[in-house]
Amino acid sequence: RKEVEQDPGPFNVPEGATVAFNCTYSNSASQSFFWYRQDCRKEPKLLMSVYSSGNEDGRFTAQLNRASQYISLLIRDSKLSDSATYLCVVTGMNTGFQKLVFGTGTRLLVSP
Amino acid sequence: DVKVTQSSRYLVKRTGEKVFLECVQDMDHENMFWYRQDPGLGLRLIYFSYDVKMKEKGDIPEGYSVSREKKERFSLILESASTNQTSMYLCASSFQGLAYQETQYFGPGTRLLVL
Repeated sequence: RKEVEQDPGPFNVPEGATVAFNCTYSNSASQSFFWYRQDCRKEPKLLMSVYSSGNEDGRFTAQLNRASQYISLLIRDSKLSDSATYLCVVTGMNTGFQKLVFGTGTRLLVSP
Repeated sequence: DVKVTQSSRYLVKRTGEKVFLECVQDMDHENMFWYRQDPGLGLRLIYFSYDVKMKEKGDIPEGYSVSREKKERFSLILESASTNQTSMYLCASSFQGLAYQETQYFGPGTRLLVL
């Protein structure tokens, strides 16, 4: 089983739509959770951290469910510029050092 | 702004060649990382370093080595390139946080093609 699993998509949505992605993780000891965004042929960039209480940043809302071991990302009022791959990232252990474990990403295509 | 730069955006090498990929960060970060990214497999950690001259193996270190002689610079070396090392290589850096993983900042990546 993969440490972090995401639906690869693509999710095709019209501008203005609301779209949600989920991600499940297998390591119950994971302590930190993130969503990164990666544009085509570019490097990943941090979109937002995911806190236990959930957090919101403009049109983006992230939620964490530790009991079920999944995190979610909700995008409201989608823009064309939201088209990208969204990477779910959790921490895992590597010889005592907390490393980041990346999902393979969910691709979002927002159309006019 | 944090800046992570990589020596090449695109590289074409022949099987058996020695390949050096260099990464430089300008934010005095303690931690530096090398990943490769392949379709369907996501980012996989090759090696990381949490201090000068220190290195730790990641998930897929075979066929690679690293060097960190200065804090700002982390090099990835392919001793004898093979076709299965054709990939996108991403360098990242982060502060050394206390309990939780700090944000990693990525370089633009190097697309390596091994013929």
